[in-house]
Amino acid sequence: AQTVTQSQPEMSVQEAETVTLSCTYDTSENNYYLFWYKQPPSRQMILVIRQEAYKQQNATENRFSVNFQKAAKSFSLKISDSQLGDTAMYFCAVTTSGTYKYIFGTGTRLKVLA
Amino acid sequence: DVKVTQSSRYLVKRTGEKVFLECVQDMDHENMFWYRQDPGLGLRLIYFSYDVKMKEKGDIPEGYSVSREKKERFSLILESASTNQTSMYLCASTPVGLNTEAFFGQGTRLTVV
Repeated sequence: AQTVTQSQPEMSVQEAETVTLSCTYDTSENNYYLFWYKQPPSRQMILVIRQEAYKQQNATENRFSVNFQKAAKSFSLKISDSQLGDTAMYFCAVTTSGTYKYIFGTGTRLKVLA
Repeated sequence: DVKVTQSSRYLVKRTGEKVFLECVQDMDHENMFWYRQDPGLGLRLIYFSYDVKMKEKGDIPEGYSVSREKKERFSLILESASTNQTSMYLCASTPVGLNTEAFFGQGTRLTVV
């Protein structure tokens, strides 16, 4: 079975600073994908970034980047130049070749402070 | 603009009532999902469907059933609502594929009194 663990229930960061959200996962599959989703107060869940497990290079999307450590099964999200609009719940998720189900972590509530 | 639409944003029902939560997607996606979101527990999968009339249990199917008679519509049914089913319910859809983005509805906050 796949599991995803987010050990930081809540975090805060000053506007314009950098913050890193942690995620660890466990799967016995070799072929899988990792995702970070953002859920702002509006409740609309949106994709932030995705990473293919067989790619060594860390994915980046503008101010968002990941640190993917495959051996450690770690997939952290770095947000640079934090903005007030980044305030949201962030969920880490995995899908594997054994099943197409998304397995989500418990989420990290991030607050960006002015 | 792709869209997953849930029929209600807020819903209040009485204990013992039969409750229907409807979800419609306009992207011709094969896969559809129902999740329950609770504080500290994240998103937990209730049921998912990978084709019309096909369904599989997720991690917490007890007390729920689903129906998918048409590709675009996936319904979650609470046969006899109980107070412990008070929660946020999220519907999502994806096309076939491992790396595909999941598209979510805006959620239904269900309160059972």
